Amino acid sequence: DAGITQSPRHKVTETGTPVTLRCHQTENHRYMYWYRQDPGHGLRLIHYSYGVKDTDKGEVSDGYSVSRSKTEDFLLTLESATSSQTSVYFCAISPTGGGHGELFFGEGSRLTVL
Amino acid sequence: AQTVTQSQPEMSVQEAETVTLSCTYDTSENNYYLFWYKQPPSRQMILVIRQEAYKQQNATENRFSVNFQKAAKSFSLKISDSQLGDTAMYFCAFTTGTASKLTFGTGTRLQVTL
Repeated sequence: DAGITQSPRHKVTETGTPVTLRCHQTENHRYMYWYRQDPGHGLRLIHYSYGVKDTDKGEVSDGYSVSRSKTEDFLLTLESATSSQTSVYFCAISPTGGGHGELFFGEGSRLTVL
Repeated sequence: AQTVTQSQPEMSVQEAETVTLSCTYDTSENNYYLFWYKQPPSRQMILVIRQEAYKQQNATENRFSVNFQKAAKSFSLKISDSQLGDTAMYFCAFTTGTASKLTFGTGTRLQVTL
């Protein structure tokens, strides 16, 4: 158990509304990540964080923002949700501190934008 | 750009048989790590096996083994004595170590049948 909790696990919202997904870890790891999973695309990196208030963009960051005010929490925000953001979102942590290591994932959050 | 290609969208294997899932990747880096993740219907991402590029010996984890061909940039997963519980989506991924950002393939859906 990697000690990662995502909330909410399921959410349905309407186009144009703001949405925030939360990732909480109990392991005190420095690096945290948000990925989205879509059929035919695998998992793609949205944003990642390498410390409190330190974040950087991934390959599909447009339309998303993140914040990390505490080591244990990494928030993903859709300021104005669109149907193209309907997806399954995964949070992950790096136990190796951003080195050549594997990631451990949360259980995912399914977001549907109508 | 770093890419991962899984050319088999779906595969099927009978229980107790052996199956091989293919993965190729492209990178100009010399040092990197490769991974296979399993995603069962529960949606949880589970690490199956990892391989360090500087190691010539192929990694093995119980019934799971890899065939790593560095020159060919190939990283296939062999599952021996397939079990019904192996039914899942399998993702190949790698990182060059920069902040442990993983690049994923599009996945292979494996069905194990009786």
